[in-house]
Amino acid sequence: GAVVSQHPSRVICKSGTSVKIECRSLDFQATTMFWYRQFPKQSLMLMATSNEGSKATYEQGVEKDKFLINHASLTLSTLTVTSAHPEDSSFYICSARDAIGGDLITLFGPGTRLTVT
Amino acid sequence: GQNIDQPTEMTATEGAIVQINCTYQTSGFNGLFWYQQHAGEAPTFLSYNVLDGLEEKGRFSSFLSRSKGYSYLLLKELQMKDSASYLCAPMDSNYQLIWGAGTKLIIKP
Repeated sequence: GAVVSQHPSRVICKSGTSVKIECRSLDFQATTMFWYRQFPKQSLMLMATSNEGSKATYEQGVEKDKFLINHASLTLSTLTVTSAHPEDSSFYICSARDAIGGDLITLFGPGTRLTVT
Repeated sequence: GQNIDQPTEMTATEGAIVQINCTYQTSGFNGLFWYQQHAGEAPTFLSYNVLDGLEEKGRFSSFLSRSKGYSYLLLKELQMKDSASYLCAPMDSNYQLIWGAGTKLIIKP
């Protein structure tokens, strides 16, 4: 069935380095994918909407030069956290929509826990 | 503005039934989703309602009243593994999911 995968599930990096997170739709094509960030005990915060073949749409307050999004194909979107700082440590989750039973259902990847030291 | 209102926390007993209510205000409406999120994990899809009424799926049922801006998630025969946060997420006219803080459900033996 339709699944959204993410890689890596956990990553620890040093401050100042860049980290790339991949989000893939399995068994379906996703023209639109979404990237969220979630801090402990807080609600999901939408960072950006990733559109295949075009530039991502960023939410207010999210730095597009820091969080680079590339939606290279209908099944792959990547989020690169550039020059990471400890305050970027968070749980990053991608999601994609698939038509299931005629309804557009949003499915989530398992998330990537980023720790910046 | 857009707003979601759910109880912050609820406690129930294993084997019992619990109803988690959600009221919402959105700019337009394209259905309402319920997700389950265990601590440290990503949300998993539970249900989707776009028309008024009750949708039953195993132990979980979801109800929607569009005129009242109201939904509930009903969990029956509660199991310890049901301890999680439950997120009510309506979809607005731009097909964006609107997220609240969710309801933390604690199941006691």
